[in-house]
Amino acid sequence: DVKVTQSSRYLVKRTGEKVFLECVQDMDHENMFWYRQDPGLGLRLIYFSYDVKMKEKGDIPEGYSVSREKKERFSLILESASTNQTSMYLCASREGNTEAFFGQGTRLTVV
Amino acid sequence: GDSVTQMEGPVTLSEEAFLTINCTYTATGYPSLFWYVQYPGEGLQLLLKATKADDKGSNKGFEATYRKETTSFHLEKGSVQVSDSAVYFCALRQAGTALIFGKGTTLSVSS
Repeated sequence: DVKVTQSSRYLVKRTGEKVFLECVQDMDHENMFWYRQDPGLGLRLIYFSYDVKMKEKGDIPEGYSVSREKKERFSLILESASTNQTSMYLCASREGNTEAFFGQGTRLTVV
Repeated sequence: GDSVTQMEGPVTLSEEAFLTINCTYTATGYPSLFWYVQYPGEGLQLLLKATKADDKGSNKGFEATYRKETTSFHLEKGSVQVSDSAVYFCALRQAGTALIFGKGTTLSVSS
């Protein structure tokens, strides 16, 4: 079975902390994505990667960075967490133009 | 740019009622269209898709038809169940790009 695993379901961090959200897929997919989900706003694309060490900005990259050192792992980094980054974060992966598979999400609260 | 608009919720129905969730899109070219579902506490799952005009996607009793003339992809189900209670997202994707989502519609079905 296809699997996208996000390292934490719930996370509480303090303002100013550096935060790492990890995502691992076991399907050898080329493409990986990070979205954030907020009520009334749906899912918005933060960053995506189409290959190891490659990354592209999505619609809302400000305040975030990403790392893809290995094909199976795509990390989202909040350099200095702020309260307006409190959200649900969803990772997805996809091979070519096939179906995208999503992780279960990480609900991040910044206090 | 490309965008997706779906009806705002919440949609509240009794079991066995007919469901329609409207979705319209704005896009250049010929995008693929999707409906994703998010059950409480979970990530997104693909519900159905259509890749070209007049295609009908179907799954678990849900259906949607790709209507290029009206730029629509409305989700329908003839008889909803309590277990269908979830958030439904309409999305589009151009070849080689990331999914673009609508804001989501919450469906609540009572027995």
